[in-house]
Amino acid sequence: SQQGEEDPQALSIQEGENATMNCSYKTSINNLQWYRQNSGRGLVHLILIRSNEREKHSGRLRVTLDTSKKSSSLLITASRAADTASYFCATYNAGNMLTFGGGTRLMVKP
Amino acid sequence: DSGVTQTPKHLITATGQRVTLRCSPRSGDLSVYWYQQSLDQGLQFLIQYYNGEERAKGNILERFSAQQFPDLHSELNLSSLELGDSALYFCASSASWAGGEQFFGPGTRLTVL
Repeated sequence: SQQGEEDPQALSIQEGENATMNCSYKTSINNLQWYRQNSGRGLVHLILIRSNEREKHSGRLRVTLDTSKKSSSLLITASRAADTASYFCATYNAGNMLTFGGGTRLMVKP
Repeated sequence: DSGVTQTPKHLITATGQRVTLRCSPRSGDLSVYWYQQSLDQGLQFLIQYYNGEERAKGNILERFSAQQFPDLHSELNLSSLELGDSALYFCASSASWAGGEQFFGPGTRLTVL
């Protein structure tokens, strides 16, 4: 079963625009992670935010976490064509299994 | 490059057959995880090994088994293959046994005909 659910399922923007993806999860967490997957390739870890953090930055990425709403958002600023990929949020469940949402497919048009 | 290697990259086989997927974790990582990614099921956790011992088990079928060897590489064995087993199989590794970021390999694409 999926712990996280991303929204939207697909997003298409122009290069230079910002992209925002949302993730909701069901149970309490210690941390939440975001991963990127280029088509048919392995997942790449982007950022980890702990449950006691509200916001975290890494380059053009900004992640927020609202534990009261059990939600997180990933913002990619000044998007580039190379950002075209699927983005997944992931959390650990009680059984130490990292569970992924269905992902947001982002397309950045040049 | 994550430092995690998987072989083979592609595998095409027939129903009823058995295959073995291999994974070498990043240097120093003791945990190895296996995932299956298919269009209908998404990315599903299968099993985790930590320093040779099974640590967590997810939606892994009884026809599937895994092990981690003393040199920390891992193998995922899939037997009595069915058409529905066609998927991408990923291995990931991490330094700790719980809670941290995972580093994914490039995956093995399995096609069952």
